[in-house]
Amino acid sequence: ETGVTQSPTHLIKTRGQQVTLRCSSQSGHNTVSWYQQALGQGPQFIFQYYREEENGRGNFPPRFSGLQFPNYSSELNVNALELDDSALYLCATRDLMDEQFFGPGTRLTVL
Amino acid sequence: GEDVEQSLFLSVREGDSSVINCTYTDSSSTYLYWYKQEPGAGLQLLTYIFSNMDMKQDQRLTVLLNKKDKHLSLRIADTQTGDSAIYFCAESIGDDKIIFGKGTRLHILP
Repeated sequence: ETGVTQSPTHLIKTRGQQVTLRCSSQSGHNTVSWYQQALGQGPQFIFQYYREEENGRGNFPPRFSGLQFPNYSSELNVNALELDDSALYLCATRDLMDEQFFGPGTRLTVL
Repeated sequence: GEDVEQSLFLSVREGDSSVINCTYTDSSSTYLYWYKQEPGAGLQLLTYIFSNMDMKQDQRLTVLLNKKDKHLSLRIADTQTGDSAIYFCAESIGDDKIIFGKGTRLHILP
């Protein structure tokens, strides 16, 4: 049990739609990162937020955006969904000792 | 570039040792990690090693790091059926991202 929760567990959308995925962590976890894990692949870094500001980004287009809130929750927003966006989306938070904890993920299917 | 390579499959008999190998490219990595992922689940951090260490042991797990060759291995002693999973090797890059390999699927033979 990592103390990191994600919602929803599963989600089905169609091409062109927009989606918001959510992540909640424990108090003191000031850093949150989001990863995309396509089927049969390792997780790919999307971006990281620290104290509500983006401070690192991987090779993902601007239609992937995020928010981090003061209550240690965060969101991943994806606009104009494409079929290749189908994946498991993982959030990971870091505590004050810089240890990283992953959530169970949200499985997004784009039809 | 940033890349982590590992073999895709490994089959081991129950009770034997499993050794999963990984190579990475970024010599500035601070931490190297091994994660476990069971079907339908998120990632579980198994162990990690600082880049200035060459070995770390934690119960049945032994991590060996050859920094010169950029080679990392995970040895699981006395492999059990519960060890069946996908194991990801990963390296930290800077203060933000972690680069993962594609994962090694460990299959346990009876």
